[in-house]
Amino acid sequence: DTEVTQTPKHLVMGMTNKKSLKCEQHMGHRAMYWYKQKAKKPPELMFVYSYEKLSINESVPSRFSPECPNSSLLNLHLHALQPEDSALYLCASSPRDRIGSYEQYFGPGTRLTVT
Amino acid sequence: SQQGEEDPQALSIQEGENATMNCSYKTSINNLQWYRQNSGRGLVHLILIRSNEREKHSGRLRVTLDTSKKSSSLLITASRAADTASYFCATGFSGNTPLVFGKGTRLSVIA
Repeated sequence: DTEVTQTPKHLVMGMTNKKSLKCEQHMGHRAMYWYKQKAKKPPELMFVYSYEKLSINESVPSRFSPECPNSSLLNLHLHALQPEDSALYLCASSPRDRIGSYEQYFGPGTRLTVT
Repeated sequence: SQQGEEDPQALSIQEGENATMNCSYKTSINNLQWYRQNSGRGLVHLILIRSNEREKHSGRLRVTLDTSKKSSSLLITASRAADTASYFCATGFSGNTPLVFGKGTRLSVIA
């Protein structure tokens, strides 16, 4: 199984809502990532988990809260978002914890719209 | 910035033609990777080339790496309409430094 799955595919939420994005991989990968991507821009790294521990937080606002319940799952909890947070949110995984040395496998993304 | 820069930003070709896109970067790297992204979808890994390699092939894809010029190229031969996508290069470094993605090249293949 070489697939990273993400749910939901689309999410519309108000600025006062709380929602969660979910990501799952069953490739035994030890590093997992959250990226944010705006239209016609490259992905921007948000968080990296290595062996289920948060290893990188790219100065992301606290309204985004990541969680790694186990080695296969990654969540992104959303609260009090702003309209400018509307974007495609991508999850990815890679085999090892030397995160720059290996290819990354991406999920299809969650298209988030904040109203 | 360590970010790679792709050139051109956009490329439009006829089906059957070859497409070449380039990536330049500024610092020493461990590897360079190419990814494809169809509109609104996730990225798909195409090729990883390590700093001690000069050329790699995968099907209709050919990637070269010139570390002296800090540049890489991706060649897609005999392009198809299905190759229409954005292509990103990403530079990889040793240790725990994340990949850095370039701005991407938008390729349109016209049938």
